[in-house]
Amino acid sequence: GAVVSQHPSWVICKSGTSVKIECRSLDFQATTMFWYRQFPKQSLMLMATSNEGSKATYEQGVEKDKFLINHASLTLSTLTVTSAHPEDSSFYICSAPRGAGGPGNNEQFFGPGTRLTVL
Amino acid sequence: AQSVTQPDIHITVSEGASLELRCNYSYGATPYLFWYVQSPGQGLQLLLKYFSGDTLVQGIKGFEAEFKRSQSSFNLRKPSVHWSDAAEYFCAVASGNTPLVFGKGTRLSVIA
Repeated sequence: GAVVSQHPSWVICKSGTSVKIECRSLDFQATTMFWYRQFPKQSLMLMATSNEGSKATYEQGVEKDKFLINHASLTLSTLTVTSAHPEDSSFYICSAPRGAGGPGNNEQFFGPGTRLTVL
Repeated sequence: AQSVTQPDIHITVSEGASLELRCNYSYGATPYLFWYVQSPGQGLQLLLKYFSGDTLVQGIKGFEAEFKRSQSSFNLRKPSVHWSDAAEYFCAVASGNTPLVFGKGTRLSVIA
């Protein structure tokens, strides 16, 4: 099956610093990638949709100036948590759908996640 | 708007017993339905999915799920649970190329 990677798998940073998380589709091109956030023992919540060549679309309540998304190529999207604070500590997961949609074409492949801890 | 309900937050079963995890969805058209499993600190692994056709879907690790349109349900089943099945299970719904909407998850514990 298709593979999506994330880097780093975990990161610890000081409050006030910025952290960049990469999401790569390794064997297919993804014009769209999704970024999710998961708090401990909770479900995944969609943060934003990353679109190659255009601005990301953020879900309601997600600060676009704090969570910067750049979809630099058809295989790479990055999420930068700017001026991180302890409340930003979470598990961040990206996914990339392969195919143009429609029956049998919509399969999303998830990265393994990045655990961010802000001290 | 699409939504997914997993009524059971936590289920405990004995090893070797059968398992059923419930999932109900709300969506206007025929949805694409998924079950994922997440081990502690890990990403998501797709167990199975339903797009169309046969309403009984077979997945990996011996899991299956049945789509019942009349009940808006997509329950996950396994005839005999193994200790390694202990994990968090998420039901999800999507349409076309949209992002997945996840249920809150059901934590499965397996006892000897």
